Amino acid sequence: AQSVTQLGSHVSVSEGALVLLRCNYSSSVPPYLFWYVQYPNQGLQLLLKYTTGATLVKGINGFEAEFKKSETSFHLTKPSAHMSDAAEYFCAVSPVSDYKLSFGAGTTVTVRA
Amino acid sequence: DAGVIQSPRHEVTEMGQEVTLRCKPISGHNSLFWYRQTMMRGLELLIYFNNNVPIDDSGMPEDRFSAKMPNASFSTLKIQPSEPRDSAVYFCASSIDLGNQPQHFGDGTRLSIL
Repeated sequence: AQSVTQLGSHVSVSEGALVLLRCNYSSSVPPYLFWYVQYPNQGLQLLLKYTTGATLVKGINGFEAEFKKSETSFHLTKPSAHMSDAAEYFCAVSPVSDYKLSFGAGTTVTVRA
Repeated sequence: DAGVIQSPRHEVTEMGQEVTLRCKPISGHNSLFWYRQTMMRGLELLIYFNNNVPIDDSGMPEDRFSAKMPNASFSTLKIQPSEPRDSAVYFCASSIDLGNQPQHFGDGTRLSIL
């Protein structure tokens, strides 16, 4: 079974600072990898995904993530935080042979002015 | 374009009552997923359909929960009888197909069982 670990349930950054959200997965075979964002009282919105090919993936709102097979990681970054980035972020994995998404526990991002 | 539409947005009812949550997936999407989100357990996949057929319902917590997809544009999740521990936000999501296609989520139904 897949498992996803997001390190840090809360991250606080200053506006304009780097945002780094960590995600590690456990799988013997590299799965499909996703990052979703959830704003208050809304559903999840896809930020980016990795399936195959280039390991650095660019998504919406200036976010990007890098798949590192050797570290079983898929960390999410944004060079400069904006107030509108305050939300909860979920890393998710799906086995290549299956279609079930397993979500991490989520990381809440707070942006300080 | 219309996204995934869920109704109602909020539901408050007393324990023992039947609860029906509704979902309209994005037109043209062949796969539909029901999730439950709680503080304690996070996001859990309950059941998913492909081409209106239930593929995996292993996440359904107990027999009180049932889901149907009578056609490509409508699905229901029913709880009968409801219990306070069923209180959660229930999300419906759809995708073009299974595999690496991204899932598009509705805004959820916040369910409170008193």
